Amino acid sequence: KAGVTQTPRYLIKTRGQQVTLSCSPISGHRSVSWYQQTPGQGLQFLFEYFSETQRNKGNFPGRFSGRQFSNSRSEMNVSTLELGDSALYLCASSYYGSLGNTIYFGEGSWLTVV
Amino acid sequence: AQTVTQSQPEMSVQEAETVTLSCTYDTSESDYYLFWYKQPPSRQMILVIRQEAYKQQNATENRFSVNFQKAAKSFSLKISDSQLGDAAMYFCASTGTASKLTFGTGTRLQVTL
Repeated sequence: KAGVTQTPRYLIKTRGQQVTLSCSPISGHRSVSWYQQTPGQGLQFLFEYFSETQRNKGNFPGRFSGRQFSNSRSEMNVSTLELGDSALYLCASSYYGSLGNTIYFGEGSWLTVV
Repeated sequence: AQTVTQSQPEMSVQEAETVTLSCTYDTSESDYYLFWYKQPPSRQMILVIRQEAYKQQNATENRFSVNFQKAAKSFSLKISDSQLGDAAMYFCASTGTASKLTFGTGTRLQVTL
């Protein structure tokens, strides 16, 4: 079974630009969540999507948005990039079933804002 | 709300020895799950082990096991027969039935010869 796939893996953007990151979850997983990892703030939850609906949202400004498609693939978008948005963005795929909640991560997308 | 605390920023263990990483948590959820993730230099977050809070039996995965003390809200990870490949950052995390993980600050594990 293929794992969680994130694209692109690395990207460099300029302040003020916008960026879109993509995440394909494990087959059969309907929940996708996004996290930002920085040296200063650690791992912070951005948002979670389940069946195309945002189920949870973290404490990030409105410049951070996301969506989920009918095939469970998800995208997150950051508009008007700031230097502080430079981070590793991790996508997680999860399945809540008879064995409870199990959450797997992709390899991450490294975003550098210059 | 959930909080996860890892009080050991760094730990060191000799190859083949056993090490225990500590984690305490707090949650208002009645149904919750606890995880340990390993993050090597590649930065991919790898699931090491998970524990359902309603299960009293401690989870084990090969050389990895947990000591889950629900009343004390403690969830420590024991690595037996440590290997060089175990060197990484280890994160403790918790979530309820939704997939909204709260992470600790991590413990950097060094494995020496």
